[in-house]
Amino acid sequence: ETGVTQTPRHLVMGMTNKKSLKCEQHLGHNAMYWYKQSAKKPLELMFVYSLEERVENNSVPSRFSPECPNSSHLFLHLHTLQPEDSALYLCASSQVSPGTGVGYTFGSGTRLTVV
Amino acid sequence: GENVEQHPSTLSVQEGDSAVIKCTYSDSASNYFPWYKQELGKRPQLIIDIRSNVGEKKDQRIAVTLNKTAKHFSLHITETQPEDSAVYFCAAAGANNLFFGTGTRLTVIP
Repeated sequence: ETGVTQTPRHLVMGMTNKKSLKCEQHLGHNAMYWYKQSAKKPLELMFVYSLEERVENNSVPSRFSPECPNSSHLFLHLHTLQPEDSALYLCASSQVSPGTGVGYTFGSGTRLTVV
Repeated sequence: GENVEQHPSTLSVQEGDSAVIKCTYSDSASNYFPWYKQELGKRPQLIIDIRSNVGEKKDQRIAVTLNKTAKHFSLHITETQPEDSAVYFCAAAGANNLFFGTGTRLTVIP
């Protein structure tokens, strides 16, 4: 286990359902991220939280709603999704310091299928 | 924002040969360049990284080179083995996050 845990690992949901993805990091990092990975657009950044504040939102449809209650937890709330939203959703964390970049630690991802 | 381009998208090499993956970036302020390996069905994992004050870094069979003037960096894998088969992603650091390339699927043929 790398220290970033995502649940569930697999999720099948109908277009009218509401579900949430959960990510938890035990690394003491101060930034967390949601990425969408699909065959068409690998590693597409969705949301960035730094010090629990959302700092980036890459034109993601409102049917995706992130929540970061504290620096260790990150959620992605899903509602009225479309079949094209089927993908692997990856959470990552890192320790961000001004002026320096650091590598991410990724979770194992949630494989989402929208039917 | 940063734009990272990665080539080739697929690469097949014979076991024992070398593999080279190249990336370019657009933002001259980027100062950190990691590489990730993602095996089938698994999470991306950091394999090597380089900062802008260094031109080359090596870790056993893996090396990364950086040319800040030309804004490109490359991953070199020598003496490739079947277990090197995976998708490799380059990235460049922005202010709050990493910008990833589109990935290279490397296949090492035994």
